[in-house]
Amino acid sequence: QVQLVQSGGGLVKPGGSLRLSCAASGFTFTDYYMTWIRQAPGKGLECISYISRGSNTKDYADSVRGRFTISRDNRKNSVSLQMDSLRADDTAVYYCARPRMVDGTLDFFDIWGQGTLVTVSS
Amino acid sequence: EIVMTQSPATLSVSPGERATLSCRASQSISSNLAWYQHKPGQAPRLLIYGTSTRATGIPARFSGSGSGTEFTLTISSLQSEDLAVYYCQQYNSWPPLTFGGGTKVEIK
Repeated sequence: QVQLVQSGGGLVKPGGSLRLSCAASGFTFTDYYMTWIRQAPGKGLECISYISRGSNTKDYADSVRGRFTISRDNRKNSVSLQMDSLRADDTAVYYCARPRMVDGTLDFFDIWGQGTLVTVSS
Repeated sequence: EIVMTQSPATLSVSPGERATLSCRASQSISSNLAWYQHKPGQAPRLLIYGTSTRATGIPARFSGSGSGTEFTLTISSLQSEDLAVYYCQQYNSWPPLTFGGGTKVEIK
């Protein structure tokens, strides 16, 4: 079935690095942009990064720009988020999510990974 | 950036009663609005897109309305399993795609 399975995450010290991965199955991966969305404790949802089908276009929220890097491997149907220079306020549950792309552009998210907790603490 | 504002922050509703959740955009987003249900320990679930189209498998008690800057999610007859936080999200103008702060629905 259509699904996204995440791996990675855990506890890391401030200034440290972590890599999240998301494996897609059940759909044609190259037809879709992919995104990462996070939810900090007690906060709402924040779309922090997206990547286009061929990796030509990437963008980041101001809160993570310059520290996080999104990438994808279309041969392995996976998307990753490399997180460097982590700070306490990066503590959150991170989700990979697939947009429906009704009109061929980013829109709403109909498939989500299970979420992975990243805790940044000394 | 389009700011999405949801109200109320918390809504207490008795089982079987109607729940009305509001979402306001800082500028017009046409009908490019989605709603999600988010339960603790689970991934968010798409409920509504295009302001009023229910996603696959979503019960008919969930409905959406509005346009421009004012939107509403209505749960016509609240069930115990509807306890969750509900988020609206605009996709009219990006980057960034933006979500509201959420409305927590409690069972009275």
